[in-house]
Amino acid sequence: EIVLTQSPGTLSLSPGERATLSCRASQSVAKNYLGWYQQKPGQPPRLLIHDASVRATGVPDRFSGSGSGTDFTLTINNVEPDDFAMYHCQQYAHSPLTFGQGTRLDI
Amino acid sequence: EVQLVESGGGLVQPGRSLTLSCTASGLTFSSYWMQWVRQVPGQGLVWVSLIRGDGTSSIYADSVKGRFTISRDNAKSTLYLQMDSLTAADTAVYYCVAGAGWQPDHWGQGTLVTVSS
Repeated sequence: EIVLTQSPGTLSLSPGERATLSCRASQSVAKNYLGWYQQKPGQPPRLLIHDASVRATGVPDRFSGSGSGTDFTLTINNVEPDDFAMYHCQQYAHSPLTFGQGTRLDI
Repeated sequence: EVQLVESGGGLVQPGRSLTLSCTASGLTFSSYWMQWVRQVPGQGLVWVSLIRGDGTSSIYADSVKGRFTISRDNAKSTLYLQMDSLTAADTAVYYCVAGAGWQPDHWGQGTLVTVSS
């Protein structure tokens, strides 16, 4: 099983700053099948990035994904108030599919 | 617009069974891999199971293997999760998820399952 470790656990920023979220895998994720999801309280997750770097439809270009192999990053430029939420990464290359424990982006 | 609507959640006693349903619209259902993902409120996401578009292949997390059964009825655009021998550890919000592959593209709103006596 691939274990995904997200860091930091909580990231406290102010609007306008840049957020850098990390997701590290215990072994290489094939084809960079790594996704990032945003989740707000009481809502389901929303796909932001798939295949490590491809923005999902309708996602602002302030969100970008990068990385390969075992190290992946979600960057949010010019953080807006609506961006404060929980962020999850997931690998969908290998069974069992696994998620990281999440990073909370706080004001 | 893709819509996934889960139903069937509720309070169930330990050891009993429950079946969740997910009705899909706005997509060619049979072309999508479908999954169930669960989340204890306030905690992280946990993948449960997925099934191929034609229903011929499915896989499960070890924690539910042998107790849960995923299935689908493409004529009804509906996904199911039969859950047997439920324990308190199965208490969670269960999300129905659709993807072109194993990637979770679209999520339902979720249905809460509470296992308690």
